[in-house]
Amino acid sequence: GDSVTQMEGPVTLSEEAFLTINCTYTATGYPSLFWYVQYPGEGLQLLLKATKADDKGSNKGFEATYRKETTSFHLEKGSVQVSDSAVYFCALSDRGDNFNKFYFGSGTKLNVKP
Amino acid sequence: GAGVSQSPRYKVAKRGQDVALRCDPISGHVSLFWYQQALGQGPEFLTYFQNEAQLDKSGLPSDRFFAERPEGSVSTLKIQRTQQEDSAVYLCASSSQGVDGYTFGSGTRLTVV
Repeated sequence: GDSVTQMEGPVTLSEEAFLTINCTYTATGYPSLFWYVQYPGEGLQLLLKATKADDKGSNKGFEATYRKETTSFHLEKGSVQVSDSAVYFCALSDRGDNFNKFYFGSGTKLNVKP
Repeated sequence: GAGVSQSPRYKVAKRGQDVALRCDPISGHVSLFWYQQALGQGPEFLTYFQNEAQLDKSGLPSDRFFAERPEGSVSTLKIQRTQQEDSAVYLCASSSQGVDGYTFGSGTRLTVV
C-alpha cells in the first residue's frame, strides 16, 4: 500500500541555518507529492507540491524535488527564520486512487531559535 | 465562509459518551474528507463524501464511527460510546478539484477521559 516516511523530529536550528527534512514514499500508482505545514493552533496549509518525476515544487523559499529513482521528496530551505517554526508533513496522493485522499507522514517539528 | 469551519474546537467526553463533530466546508465544494490525527502522528484518512454520497468509508476504525452529509454541505462525524483511543484531532477538508483544491479546517481536538 501507499505510505510516507519522514525523518523524526524535533529539528532545532539557529536562524539562517540550512534546513533539510527527509521524506521517502511508497506508492503503487503515479503519486503526486506534497509538503504541508501546520502552525500552532492552525489547520494544515499546503506549502508546495510536485506532480511528476523531476518536478521541483517551491514556495516561500522552500523547495523539494520529486525523485522517482530514490522515491524521495526532501524539503529544503537555504536560510530558515524563526517564523518557520512549525510541524511539516510530507504527503502523497496516488493518481490511481479515484478519490484523491492523502497519505501523510508522521510530521517533523521544526524549532528555529533566534 | 472563506475557509473550512469545524466545531467545537475542543471537546472533552467521558468514556462511553456519544459525540458529534461538525464540519462546514467551503461553499460549493463538492468533496469533503475527514481525517483523524493522533498526537504526534500525521493525519489518517477516515471517510470521503462527494456531495451527499459517502463514497469511501474504508478508514473508519470501527462501527462506532459514523459520518453523514445529508444535504451535500455540512457534515457531521459521530462517535458512539467513545473510548480513550478515540482521543485525537479530527480534521475536515473540502475540495472543488481533487487534491489541488484541498482546504483543511483547524480541527476538533477530542479528549476522552
